[in-house]
Amino acid sequence: SQELEQSPQSLIVQEGKNLTINCTSSKTLYGLYWYKQKYGEGLIFLMMLQKGGEEKSHEKITAKLDEKKQQSSLHITASQPSHAGIYLCGADRPGSNYKLTFGKGTLLTVNP
Amino acid sequence: DAGVIQSPRHEVTEMGQEVTLRCKPISGHDYLFWYRQTMMRGLELLIYFNNNVPIDDSGMPEDRFSAKMPNASFSTLKIQPSEPRDSAVYFCASSKGDRGYSNQPQHFGDGTRLSIL
Repeated sequence: SQELEQSPQSLIVQEGKNLTINCTSSKTLYGLYWYKQKYGEGLIFLMMLQKGGEEKSHEKITAKLDEKKQQSSLHITASQPSHAGIYLCGADRPGSNYKLTFGKGTLLTVNP
Repeated sequence: DAGVIQSPRHEVTEMGQEVTLRCKPISGHDYLFWYRQTMMRGLELLIYFNNNVPIDDSGMPEDRFSAKMPNASFSTLKIQPSEPRDSAVYFCASSKGDRGYSNQPQHFGDGTRLSIL
């Protein structure tokens, strides 16, 4: 089984709608990273969360790390076509020495 | 500031040929990572370096794969001989190792899309 499970695998929303993507770990996390990827391009770093209960926002995207540090959510408010892409969560763990494990990603489509 | 630079962006070659992928990390970053991305397996770490020294190559699939980092500004991933199942997008990423006082995420290049016929 995957160490990091993302849900949903894909999501289609109408422009202007809110949405949430989840990332659940089977093990305790040290840090949780959110990236966005457009087809044919590399991963763009969005946010990093380290402390249980931490919440960060960038423009209309908010990410939270739960208190037990095993689950994170990414919330987009008033989605726009520019938000479309693949969202991946990556995690490192105590003792992982900077290695990241990634979820398989969530494909987001935003219809105008 | 220049990001992580990978070359070539696309590579199409025949089975059995040698393939060399190249990466220039962000200046000042002391960690360099090679990943492979496929639909079936997602993003997998192949190998990573710290200060030009390979630290963990447990993700390298077979002896056909090798990676080097001769200096702080250049790394290669070589496949010899290549096989159709090696077809994937290969990413290079770099980061600073110090997490003491600020976020130090990995920054990715645009990848090399490799097709082995």
